Amino acid sequence: EAAVTQSPRSKVAVTGGKVTLSCHQTNNHDYMYWYRQDTGHGLRLIHYSYVADSTEKGDIPDGYKASRPSQENFSLILELASLSQTAVYFCASSDRTNTGQLYFGEGSKLTVL
Amino acid sequence: GQGVEQPDNLMSVEGTFARVNCTYSTSGFNGLSWYQQREGHAPVFLSYVVLDGLKDSGHFSTFLSRSNGYSYLLLTELQIKDSASYLCAVRDNYAQGLTFGLGTRVSVFP
Repeated sequence: EAAVTQSPRSKVAVTGGKVTLSCHQTNNHDYMYWYRQDTGHGLRLIHYSYVADSTEKGDIPDGYKASRPSQENFSLILELASLSQTAVYFCASSDRTNTGQLYFGEGSKLTVL
Repeated sequence: GQGVEQPDNLMSVEGTFARVNCTYSTSGFNGLSWYQQREGHAPVFLSYVVLDGLKDSGHFSTFLSRSNGYSYLLLTELQIKDSASYLCAVRDNYAQGLTFGLGTRVSVFP
């Protein structure tokens, strides 16, 4: 069974603070992604990675950094959290042969006050 | 640019069917996926299509027309537990992940 786990599952942060969301997958997948989901916007791609030690910008990368230190781990970093970054964040992985099938983690709910 | 459009809501009756439509515009096309998402949970993969035509997966089917930029997800013999949001997503580049629509909330009533 494919497994993508995220931590923390829920976090409250203060404006201007640093937030790190972590993702770990045991699928042996090459591709990993970070999406955010907001009411009215759906799922939007922030960053993705297709190999360890390399990350790529997605559709809405501003205000976010990503790190892929190993095939299994992919982190999303908010250096200076802002109110507009309140959202649910989903990590996902996919095999290189079928990037139409993403395996999602259960999500991390971030509230910035 | 690209976009994926879906209706916001769809209501249907238990035992009948529901068809969730999706239209898309992309600079390139490398497949279309459907996901189910229950409230408070992660999206779950249902189907992936890349060729025109109908793909039957038992409880549901997916149709694709690349020339029209159109797909639908057909849910048959609806059950109450099929009530969820259904997300359409398009892949236009092998490495850039999927572009999702806002989702269609399907409500199944007794």
